[in-house]
Amino acid sequence: EIVLTQSPGTLSLSPGERATLSCRASQGVSTNYLAWFQQKSGQPPRLLIYEISIRATGIPDRFSGSGSGTDFSLTISRLEPEDFAVYYCQYYGESPRTFGQGTKVEV
Amino acid sequence: EVQLVESGGDLIQPGGSLRLSCSASGFTFSSHSMNWVRQAPGMGPECVAFINSGSTAIHYADSVRGRFTISRDNDRSSLYLQMNSLRVEDTALYYCAKGHSSGSWLIDHWGQGTLVTVSS
Repeated sequence: EIVLTQSPGTLSLSPGERATLSCRASQGVSTNYLAWFQQKSGQPPRLLIYEISIRATGIPDRFSGSGSGTDFSLTISRLEPEDFAVYYCQYYGESPRTFGQGTKVEV
Repeated sequence: EVQLVESGGDLIQPGGSLRLSCSASGFTFSSHSMNWVRQAPGMGPECVAFINSGSTAIHYADSVRGRFTISRDNDRSSLYLQMNSLRVEDTALYYCAKGHSSGSWLIDHWGQGTLVTVSS
């Protein structure tokens, strides 16, 4: 089972700033099946990025994903007020599909 | 627009059974894999069960294998989760989630969830 560790646990930033979230896998990922989800309070998660760097439908281009092997990142180039939320990475290349523990981006 | 509407959540005693349902619309249900994903209060999501479009591939999390059964009815665009021998640790919001394609493990849409509380 691949364990995903996200850092930092909480990121305190202001609107307009750049956010970089990290996701580290316990072993090398042999496929590109790494996704990022955003979850706002009281809402279900929303798919942002899949296959490491492909933005899902309707996701603005301020969101970008990158990485390979064991180290992956999600970057929000300029934080908008609606971007303050919890972000999860997920590996979906094998069963069990695991999520990281989440990074909270707060004001 | 993709819509996934879950129902069936309830307060149930340990050892009891519950059946969750999900009604899907806005896409060709029979062409997509489907999932049940749960999220306990304050925790991250956990993929509980997966079923491909033709019900020929089914996977469960270790935590529920042997107790939960996922199924689907493509004619009714519906997904189900039969939950038996419920435990306190099964308490969570249960989401119905759509797969990206017929056999994909990527989730691209989530419902609003139905709450299952297991308590005496």
